[in-house]
Amino acid sequence: AQRVTQPEKLLSVFKGAPVELKCNYSYSGSPELFWYVQYSRQRLQLLLRHISRESIKGFTADLNKGETSFHLKKPFAQEEDSAMYYCALHRLNKFYFGSGTKLNVKP
Amino acid sequence: NAGVTQTPKFRVLKTGQSMTLLCAQDMNHEYMYWYRQDPGMGLRLIHYSVGEGTTAKGEVPDGYNVSRLKKQNFLLGLESAAPSQTSVYFCASRPSGGQGEQFFGPGTRLTVL
Repeated sequence: AQRVTQPEKLLSVFKGAPVELKCNYSYSGSPELFWYVQYSRQRLQLLLRHISRESIKGFTADLNKGETSFHLKKPFAQEEDSAMYYCALHRLNKFYFGSGTKLNVKP
Repeated sequence: NAGVTQTPKFRVLKTGQSMTLLCAQDMNHEYMYWYRQDPGMGLRLIHYSVGEGTTAKGEVPDGYNVSRLKKQNFLLGLESAAPSQTSVYFCASRPSGGQGEQFFGPGTRLTVL
């Protein structure tokens, strides 16, 4: 069965500090992985996808098949990054979401 | 272009009552999804549809039914609501052939007493 694990429920960092939100998955094939973000009072929206190898709002995520991880990183956190972050795996038209990590960036 | 809309925004039901949640999208997307969001559990897929007239079960389909009679609408029904169905329900859609991005609705907060 596919599983996505986000071990941290809450992550608090100070503005300007590096941030890493962890995501591990269990899937034996080639995964399609995503990071979604939900800002306060806003809809869930796509942040980035592994296939694009892009950097969005300073965030990057690298797929590590050996460690089955897709951690989200940003070198210098900003207050506006405070939000709920979800890692998701897509397989056969279904999406499997992690339980989410709340990022709190303190001034 | 409203994107994905959900009706209603809030609802309180008594145990045993029935109701239907409506999801509508104006982006001509093939795929549509219904999720529930519970504290500490993230989003769990209830049912989904890969096109007009099709539906399929997700991770947690029990107690729910769905219909996709029109491409733009995806209905989620609760025939006999239970307190365990208290949750926030999200609908999402995505195009076929895209890179997998889903577009989410604003959510419906349902409380079953």
